[in-house]
Amino acid sequence: DAGITQSPRHKVTETGTPVTLRCHQTENHRYMYWYRQDPGHGLRLIHYSYGVKDTDKGEVSDGYSVSRSKTEDFLLTLESATSSQTSVYFCAIRTDENTEAFFGQGTRLTVV
Amino acid sequence: GQSLEQPSEVTAVEGAIVQINCTYQTSGFYGLSWYQQHDGGAPTFLSYNALDGLEETGRFSSFLSRSDSYGYLLLQELQMKDSASYFCAVQNDYKLSFGAGTTVTVRA
Repeated sequence: DAGITQSPRHKVTETGTPVTLRCHQTENHRYMYWYRQDPGHGLRLIHYSYGVKDTDKGEVSDGYSVSRSKTEDFLLTLESATSSQTSVYFCAIRTDENTEAFFGQGTRLTVV
Repeated sequence: GQSLEQPSEVTAVEGAIVQINCTYQTSGFYGLSWYQQHDGGAPTFLSYNALDGLEETGRFSSFLSRSDSYGYLLLQELQMKDSASYFCAVQNDYKLSFGAGTTVTVRA
């Protein structure tokens, strides 16, 4: 299995609080992605990174920010959590040469 | 932006053949991938097509027509364990964007 770990795996938080999800890889892959998965919507891209300190927005980036200060870590922050951000969040990694993306096990976030 | 369309559900019996179509609109297209996801699990890679034609990997095959912005995943000799969601994904520049997924249900 690709060395990719998401933390926490489960989290319940209150509306209006900031939340940070962490994606950690041991593969030295260049590309890292954050997706959210909701019934009927598949995997929607939130933000992605193509190198240290190089990030860009995906299709559903409002309310989210990211940081990548080192190759192995990609952080997703919900600046002020809302109930609409209740979802399962997946991180994925990919190399330049390899077209295959490897996914973490997901983080189930509930905003109450 | 990107858009991908695939059917939401397909049901078939064991041993049958299922084809899941995917049409896409995007700029800077590099290739089309397919992923499988079982309930409660993470998506896993099945195949990738960068050029027109058919790629075969065991019971699964994937096809791409770049001129038609169209591809499909062919599942042959269906088994109960193939019951899962299947996603097509377009790769362009640095991005990897997914469709909404097709739920395949295999019946005995």
